Amino acid sequence: EAQVTQNPRYLITVTGKKLTVTCSQNMNHEYMSWYRQDPGLGLRQIYYSMNVEVTDKGDVPEGYKVSRKEKRNFPLILESPSPNQTSLYFCASSFRGGSTGELFFGEGSRLTVL
Amino acid sequence: RKEVEQDPGPFNVPEGATVAFNCTYSNSASQSFFWYRQDCRKEPKLLMSVYSSGNEDGRFTAQLNRASQYISLLIRDSKLSDSATYLCVVNEDGNKLVFGAGTILRVKS
Repeated sequence: EAQVTQNPRYLITVTGKKLTVTCSQNMNHEYMSWYRQDPGLGLRQIYYSMNVEVTDKGDVPEGYKVSRKEKRNFPLILESPSPNQTSLYFCASSFRGGSTGELFFGEGSRLTVL
Repeated sequence: RKEVEQDPGPFNVPEGATVAFNCTYSNSASQSFFWYRQDCRKEPKLLMSVYSSGNEDGRFTAQLNRASQYISLLIRDSKLSDSATYLCVVNEDGNKLVFGAGTILRVKS
């Protein structure tokens, strides 16, 4: 089954404790992206990757890091989480970036930073 | 000013009603446009693309007005299962998709 898998789905952590949210897709997509979704603000792009070893900042990259060492994986790293990073995070992939408009999303990871 | 703006709603309509959502975008160079659907606590999923000539998919019709920089989604004969948040999405430069905050639709029996 074609899918985007994120882990963990739910996480409560404390300020400053490094964490990684993993994302994996099995569709051989070149493009992958991370979004955060907050009430009233919609989905905002954090980072995206056009292909292996190619990553770029989105609209809200501060406090996040990513890597793309393999085509299928695109982990999101919070080196020192803060309460303002409490949010719902979505990983997404597509065959050719945003041009086709069809992004396939993971089920989301709800992160709470205390 | 937000790049993509939508009326947040909620739109509360009875089954069988026709309902329309509008979305405005600020970047006149935007290239392509889409509607996504997001069920409560779920991930967004592509509903339909929006073409310049307008397009229809069953009970759903999407239209684009480039001159006024807005797109619309019309849902006819609303079903209970249409209850969701509808996200307007604009492709600004080929790679960047900008999402609106969404319009909530509640269809009631």
